[in-house]
Amino acid sequence: DGGITQSPKYLFRKEGQNVTLSCEQNLNHDAMYWYRQDPGQGLRLIYYSQIVNDFQKGDIAEGYSVSREKKESFPLTVTSAQKNPTAFYLCASSTGGSYNEQFFGPGTRLTVL
Amino acid sequence: GQNIDQPTEMTATEGAIVQINCTYQTSGFNGLFWYQQHAGEAPTFLSYNVLDGLEEKGRFSSFLSRSKGYSYLLLKELQMKDSASYLCAVRLLLLNYGQNFVFGPGTRLSVLP
Repeated sequence: DGGITQSPKYLFRKEGQNVTLSCEQNLNHDAMYWYRQDPGQGLRLIYYSQIVNDFQKGDIAEGYSVSREKKESFPLTVTSAQKNPTAFYLCASSTGGSYNEQFFGPGTRLTVL
Repeated sequence: GQNIDQPTEMTATEGAIVQINCTYQTSGFNGLFWYQQHAGEAPTFLSYNVLDGLEEKGRFSSFLSRSKGYSYLLLKELQMKDSASYLCAVRLLLLNYGQNFVFGPGTRLSVLP
């Protein structure tokens, strides 16, 4: 079955540690996105990538980094520079076509202790 | 800047009809999407409008007026399982880099028996 996977579902880290969140898709989508969601709020864009080996900052990129070495993968690293990293992180992908809703992964809930 | 507004919370009764409004002020508008998100889960696609008018999909309908920067999601014959957050998202066509999505804050709908 085609879809987007994110791992792990829950992640705990100590303050000051970098952590990488995985996102893999087998939908053959060109575009991939990372969002952050805080309790009771909407989605805020962290980074997005339209093609392999290229990506752009979203609205809240500070303290995060990404890579897009393969079409299927778009990992997000939450660095120690991110001041408030505890949140629900969602990865999404879409095609480049005119009718292209985003498909979302199940999300990773990161808690920094 | 880009701005999308939705009511924060709404309450309706099982079997009733509810309309969730979304207003937007964006540049490069290229379509409006509605997603449903249950607590702790990923958003799932409900509907899409790119031209003015009404799109109907079963119990869900969505309307768009581009001149007014306005959309609504209409849910009929409400069921308890419709209790969720409903996210309005605008797809933006970026001149220099493909396309992107901006999400509203979401409307939390509670369906009461």
